[in-house]
This record gives sequence, C-alpha cells and structure tokens, in this order.
Amino acid sequence: GQQVMQIPQYQHVQEGEDFTTYCNSSTTLSNIQWYKQRPGGHPVFLIQLVKSGEVKKQKRLTFQFGEAKKNSSLHITATQTTDVGTYFCAGRGAANFGNEKLTFGTGTRLTIIP
Amino acid sequence: DSGVTQTPKHLITATGQRVTLRCSPRSGDLSVYWYQQSLDQGLQFLIQYYNGEERAKGNILERFSAQQFPDLHSELNLSSLELGDSALYFCASSVGGTHTGNTIYFGEGSWLTVV
Repeated sequence: GQQVMQIPQYQHVQEGEDFTTYCNSSTTLSNIQWYKQRPGGHPVFLIQLVKSGEVKKQKRLTFQFGEAKKNSSLHITATQTTDVGTYFCAGRGAANFGNEKLTFGTGTRLTIIP
Repeated sequence: DSGVTQTPKHLITATGQRVTLRCSPRSGDLSVYWYQQSLDQGLQFLIQYYNGEERAKGNILERFSAQQFPDLHSELNLSSLELGDSALYFCASSVGGTHTGNTIYFGEGSWLTVV
C-alpha cells in the first residue's frame, strides 16, 4: 500500500533559524496537503499542492511539490516560537482516482529553542 | 474552532468493553473522516463517509465500525477493546471528497484510554 514518510522525525532549532521537513511517497500522488498540529491540539490544514513542481508561499512558509509528484517539502524561514508543533504531509495516490483515502506522513515535530 | 464537534472529549473504559464516539461535521460538509492517533504516532486513516455512504476505507479493524446518519453526523463504534486501542480519535469533515481538493477540518478529538 501507499506509504508516506517524513524526515526528520524531530527537529530542534534555535529561534530565527530556518526549518525544512521533507515528505516522500512510495507512489505518485495526485495532490498533497500539509497540516500543522500544535501540542495538545488537532491538525489544521495549511495548504494543498496539485501541480508538478508547484511552489506556494504563505508568509514565512514555502511549500513545494516535486516534479515527479512523489515528494514535497515545507520550509519555514526565520522560525518563531509560534511555529512549534508537528507538521504532517498527506497525500492522495494518483493511481486510485475516486478513492478518497488520504495517507498522512509520519510527521515532523518542530521544537524551538528561544 | 473548526466547527467539527466530537464527543466525548475523554473516555476511560476497560478491556473488552464497547464504546461509541460521536461526531458532528461542520455545517454544510458532506464528508466525514475518522483518524486514529496513538501516542507519538502519525494519523492513521480509518474510514470516510460521504453523504451517508462509505467512500473509502483505511486500516480499520474488524472490531471497529462506523456509520453516517441522514443528518450527516457520524459514529465510530469500537468493540472488544484492547489496551492498544488507547489513542486519540479524530473526526474530520469536508464539503466534498479529498480528490476535489476540499479543505479537511479536524475536530478536537476524543481521548480513549483502555485500562
């Protein structure tokens, strides 16, 4: 079955440093979504990428979808304490159009050192 | 507040028992999803309903079942509970399905502890 892995599993950065998490799928994806889960909270939708090579920005966050639509990345510039949380990617396989299953990645937990 | 309501927020029960988790989707949303999140684990997709019908199935155990009612609220039934079933169970909803790119909104989750 489809597997979505994220690296790193944990990341500790000094406030102000940049942060990147990478998402890799075992199969080609039709689209990929990114979510953020604050400690003790629930996942919150951040963005969706659909096109090969697509890049989207939200303030300090940059999201990228790979050319082969099998990988994606989230980059945060100049991290702030409010960025703390676990970031999940979630992909839907291109091979199963019509199947609604969204496979979540393993997540990257970001902690900020003030 | 995502608009997705889950009850109960916390539940402690014994092994072998049966529990029902309830979810009310956001107003206007037709899809309901159930996810399981164990401690320090990712989100495991269990099942999705769209307008009352099962739309997709994940790694849902046979001891678990779900349904979506005509008023679009959903219930997740967990039976013959085992210690390993202790987890945070999320319900989420969206207007359509994931293939249409609709945003999925998560509820705050139901913490289940099996002792």
